Amino acid sequence: EIVLTQSPATLSLSPGERVTLSCRASESIRGYLAWYQHKPGQAPRLLIYDGSNRATGIPGRFSGSGSGTDFTLTISSLEPEDFAVYFCQQRYKWPPITFGQGTRLEIK
Amino acid sequence: QVQLVQSGAEMVKPGASVKVSCKASGYSITAYKMHWLRQAPGQRLEYLGYIRSNEDTTNIAQNFQGRVTLTRDTSISAAYMELSRLTLDDTAVYYCARGDFGDGNWFDPWGQGTLVTVAS
Repeated sequence: EIVLTQSPATLSLSPGERVTLSCRASESIRGYLAWYQHKPGQAPRLLIYDGSNRATGIPGRFSGSGSGTDFTLTISSLEPEDFAVYFCQQRYKWPPITFGQGTRLEIK
Repeated sequence: QVQLVQSGAEMVKPGASVKVSCKASGYSITAYKMHWLRQAPGQRLEYLGYIRSNEDTTNIAQNFQGRVTLTRDTSISAAYMELSRLTLDDTAVYYCARGDFGDGNWFDPWGQGTLVTVAS
């Protein structure tokens, strides 16, 4: 089973700042990684798939990069609505599909 | 607007079964896989399985084989997840999610989640 490890666990930043979140796979998953945003009480939302493709309707400030074992999600300038939990998912080697433990992005 | 709306919270006893529904709107459920996942308190998401787009066959994750049954009713655009022989460890928020992009194994959109609490 491929283990996804996200870092950091929590990040405290201010609106307008740039942020980079990390997701590391226990073995190569080529480019088959997605990023999701999850706010309390809401459905998770797909942001990025296949490593770097933005999903429908996702603002341009969100970008994904990486391949193999190391991936990043970058938010170029934080908006107030971006404070949430972000988690990654791989679909390269499954079953099982696996997820990272999440990074909580909180307002400083 | 593509949307998935799930049934309400459930409280069930150990050993019982629970069935969660997921009503789709804005698209045809025969055109996309429907996946099911769960998240227990303080844990990362866990994948349960999916029902195929164009037929009623399923692929259930190994950890849940024999306990999870996925079905659907295309006449009302609904999908169902039934989990049997519940234990306290099955307490979690359960999600349905449409499989989209690539080979249909990215999840977009998701339902709002259904809290299943197992307690005696």
